[in-house]
Amino acid sequence: EVQLVESGGGLVQPGGSLRLSCAVSGFSFSDSWMTWVRQPPGKGLEWVANIKQDGSETYYVDSVKGRFTISRDNAHSLLLLHMKSLRIEDTAVYYCARSAWDSFDSWGQGTLVTVSS
Amino acid sequence: QSVLTQPPSASGTPGQRVTITCSGSSSNIGAKAVSWYQQLPGTAPKLLIYNNDQRPSGVPDRFSGSKSGTSASLAISGLHSEDEADYYCAAWDDSLSAYVFGIGTKVTVL
Repeated sequence: EVQLVESGGGLVQPGGSLRLSCAVSGFSFSDSWMTWVRQPPGKGLEWVANIKQDGSETYYVDSVKGRFTISRDNAHSLLLLHMKSLRIEDTAVYYCARSAWDSFDSWGQGTLVTVSS
Repeated sequence: QSVLTQPPSASGTPGQRVTITCSGSSSNIGAKAVSWYQQLPGTAPKLLIYNNDQRPSGVPDRFSGSKSGTSASLAISGLHSEDEADYYCAAWDDSLSAYVFGIGTKVTVL
């Protein structure tokens, strides 16, 4: 069974940092592009970043470039998102997802990040 | 304002056919595959359609996708009450070097 489990969300002050993790099982993690997608409360989905199988390529939405870093640990089937200089508008549920066929075919349950003073 | 344009809402009665359109441009839908996602209230999104018109295993065949030029469509035939959800289209955008989602369409079963 494919499983993606996010963790690391919580309340953080503006300007603060947070690291999200996504533990994966049930498929070959090292063979898959992986993605982070976020959803602000009551709003739509926004793609955040993705990373190639070996970590050699990464892409980011403009609003997080220079602040967020996506990385992966293939030995432990772990996807990471390091977030710094957090802003109120970064408040959202963050989902990790597997990328396949130019789509996101498996999703985690999400972890809530709240940026507030 | 999203790069991909979807209507904010759509509705139908049980058994009806509902179609949601997603309009983009030559740098996204016109050049890349479109995918569609269903998000039931309080849950994570679920892939409904990939590569414009392909259904993952387990997705009922009353969901169908199509693409023509810079627009794509999701059709739900024989609407069920459990189809009440938000539906999002998505595609890679070559100009932005980023995936883009539509704003989402809330489907209501009357």
